[in-house]
Amino acid sequence: GDSVTQTEGPVTVSESESLIINCTYSATSIAYPNLFWYVRYPGEGLQLLLKVITAGQKGSSRGFEATYNKETTSFHLQKASVQESDSAVYYCALGDQNNYAQGLTFGLGTRVSVFP
Amino acid sequence: DPKIIQKPKYLVAVTGSEKILICEQYLGHNAMYWYRQSAKKPLEFMFSYSYQKLMDNQTASSRFQPQSSKKNHLDLQITALKPDDSATYFCASSATGGEDTQYFGPGTRLLVL
Repeated sequence: GDSVTQTEGPVTVSESESLIINCTYSATSIAYPNLFWYVRYPGEGLQLLLKVITAGQKGSSRGFEATYNKETTSFHLQKASVQESDSAVYYCALGDQNNYAQGLTFGLGTRVSVFP
Repeated sequence: DPKIIQKPKYLVAVTGSEKILICEQYLGHNAMYWYRQSAKKPLEFMFSYSYQKLMDNQTASSRFQPQSSKKNHLDLQITALKPDDSATYFCASSATGGEDTQYFGPGTRLLVL
């Protein structure tokens, strides 16, 4: 079946340091995957951070970037300089461009704590 | 204003009882979903509805029954509750294009004693 594997947390970084959260996927039943990063800030619900629907393209939002690499089946999330407000749980997810009703496949989530 | 409302926020139930989790979305979407997240597990897709019709069911147990009384409502009825049903249940919605984003509600945290 389809699956998503991401960096196991918790991850602790200092403010202004860089952050990388690895995400790899297996899309055995999906010909055209959509890839997503969702984020849950403390006390809030799950919200979309960025998405990419075309292999080779890069998505960006709030200083975060992720490139959809079909060759390595990866979608790593990066930020060059984190802030304390980036403390959250980050989820990588996989969807099917041809079947919106199938639902998304999520990774376990990576808890990130940024310290001043 | 919240665009996807889930009620209640927290729910405590007794083993064997029945509960209904409420979800309403005000995004004008025609597709709605339920997901579940148990401790130390990823969010797991349960059901999808489109135009009030069941599209996909990934839940093996018939104890879980979605109910769609209106286009923007998708409630989840759970019968004969078990402690293993303890989880946070998330409702989501989307438009019906293949590349459309799913938007999530805040979740209902269910504890079955």
